This record gives sequence, structure tokens and C-alpha cells, in this order.
Amino acid sequence: EAGVVQSPRYKIIEKKQPVAFWCNPISGHNTLYWYRQNLGQGPELLIRYENEEAVDDSQLPKDRFSAERLKGVDSTLKIQPAELGDSAVYLCASSFPRHTDTQYFGPGTRLTVL
Amino acid sequence: AQSVTQLGSHVSVSEGALVLLRCNYSSSVPPYLFWYVQYPNQGLQLLLKYTSAATLVKGINGFEAEFKKSETSFHLTKPSAHMSDAAEYFCAVSGDRGSTLGRLYFGRGTQLTVWP
Repeated sequence: EAGVVQSPRYKIIEKKQPVAFWCNPISGHNTLYWYRQNLGQGPELLIRYENEEAVDDSQLPKDRFSAERLKGVDSTLKIQPAELGDSAVYLCASSFPRHTDTQYFGPGTRLTVL
Repeated sequence: AQSVTQLGSHVSVSEGALVLLRCNYSSSVPPYLFWYVQYPNQGLQLLLKYTSAATLVKGINGFEAEFKKSETSFHLTKPSAHMSDAAEYFCAVSGDRGSTLGRLYFGRGTQLTVWP
């Protein structure tokens, strides 16, 4: 069974530039999550989707971050413009909808903003 | 809001020794608790989870954790460490209400080093 796929794995950009991350969840998982993991910290949820609907986006900095999940499958997370403090690993996870269901994580995208 | 405290950002043990990674949580209702492991440049992998069944939870790779409500703890143990256990370990608790039910709150992580 294929796991959660993320691309790119690494991205280096200069501040003020835009950047986008892509995630393909495990087939059949209708819940998708984006987390941000700062260096030396645990992941923090940015947004959670149930199918196409963002049901928990209270942690998403909406002035510069946006996300979409068209057709309830793949998702894209965008930052525009990027700031130095956005350097982190961005993790995508997917699961079945119950809150006790296991979240399966992708390998993440390591973003470096110069 | 939920929170998780992992005591000790770094733990070192010798191969064959007991592994004990500590996790305390704050939750206003009985929580669901998880331990994840992260190897370098990889995503998080579930070790085990507690969902209000047995208080002693067995996971993969010989790990287990015990839920102690009176101590609000969910410590992770393994009787005998192996070199391949070297990784970062994260404790997490699920949100307990409304839209946060599906959210995981992670601790800061504990880096486990295993010496030969």
C-alpha cells in the first residue's frame, strides 16, 4: 500500500518569494492534515480537511498561508510571501475520519527561507 | 487546550538497557494518547495508541506504554534497547472537543541515543 506522498522533499527560496507544497494522501483516507514542525519541536496542526471542507483551520496564518483540497483527494499548501520564520518541515498526514483513527504521515517538505 | 510535556529532550541508554521515555498530558476529559517515532528525514510513524481500552498498550518493535490517569502520564518503555531504536520520539494527545477532535497536540520530542 502506498503511503502519503509529498513533494518536493526540499525547497530553498529567498524571503518574499512564493512556495507551494503538494500532498497525495493514502487512497480512501478522506481526512487530510497539514502540520508544521519547527526545528526541535513537535508538529503543530495548520489545517485539517474532511473531504473538500476545511474543518479546523484556526492555526493557519491566513494572511500568507492558503490551502486547498480540490475533489477531496490531493492538497496544496501555499505560502506567499515567505518569511524567514517559515523555515520548517511541512508534514502532510491522512486518516479515516474518526478522531481515534491513526494519522499516517508523509516524509515532509523541508523549507529553507534565506 | 490540550498540552503534552515530554520530560528530557535527550535520553541515552546502552544497548540492551531499559528504555523509559516520559510523557505527561493535560486534558479535561479522558484523552486519546499516541506515541510516534521519527527517523531522520522521515515522517512520523505510529508506535502505539491508547483509546480507553486496556491501560497497558503494546506497540510495534517491542515498545509499550501505560496510561495512568491519576498521574496524567503515558510513559513509553522497552525492556531492552536496540541500536535501531535510535530516533526521536513524540508523545501526542488528541483534541477533546468540537473541531479540535481530530487534532493531535504533540510534545517537543525526546531524542533517544543507543550506545553499543
